[in-house]
Amino acid sequence: LAKTTQPISMDSYEGQEVNITCSHNNIATNDYITWYQQFPSQGPRFIIQGYKTKVTNEVASLFIPADRKSSTLSLPRVSLSDTAVYYCLVGDYRGGATNKLIFGTGTLLAVQP
Amino acid sequence: SAVISQKPSRDICQRGTSLTIQCQVDSQVTMMFWYRQQPGQSLTLIATANQGSEATYESGFVIDKFPISRPNLTFSTLTVSNLSPEDSSIYLCSVEDREGDRVRNEQFFGPGTRLTVL
Repeated sequence: LAKTTQPISMDSYEGQEVNITCSHNNIATNDYITWYQQFPSQGPRFIIQGYKTKVTNEVASLFIPADRKSSTLSLPRVSLSDTAVYYCLVGDYRGGATNKLIFGTGTLLAVQP
Repeated sequence: SAVISQKPSRDICQRGTSLTIQCQVDSQVTMMFWYRQQPGQSLTLIATANQGSEATYESGFVIDKFPISRPNLTFSTLTVSNLSPEDSSIYLCSVEDREGDRVRNEQFFGPGTRLTVL
């Protein structure tokens, strides 16, 4: 499973767009990129997953360049409630090929008023 | 989606004792996972538990220390044995997401059990 590198922490203000970048230089052909969010005293929660280009859902967007060696999670107009740790994971999760999630260090996003 | 509950939510235990953590899911799932999250750290996978078979442990984790039971498709327990202060962590279970026979790519996590060992 590819190792990921992401910033330890980021600060933002309410209403701003936040972009969190994750590096995964050794990503394999069959690997997908998945992001989870974890609030204090809770288990992680799935946010978004993608393979290439751009994926968007009601919560976030995920941008993946052509070489797939990095990815960027974009959170539009953050609020105080978006303060959490965001984890980038890379692995072959198709149809149960492997269900193991290997968490990296994560990025602590602190949103201020 | 799956709703997962864990018991206890927290406990304080004495050194040398054991704690058994229960994980209950509101639907039948084939695979359940147990994680440890030490204070201020990321999650580390302890083991994978399939119903009807022995759990598969990750490097650094052994069955004698972390015995797991998986008696049916909605329930699992993790026991942390011979407790030491280094075992103070949050322990979380998770399940894969399925649509019929197809496994989707996200997992659902329980709220965690906070263990403090004195």
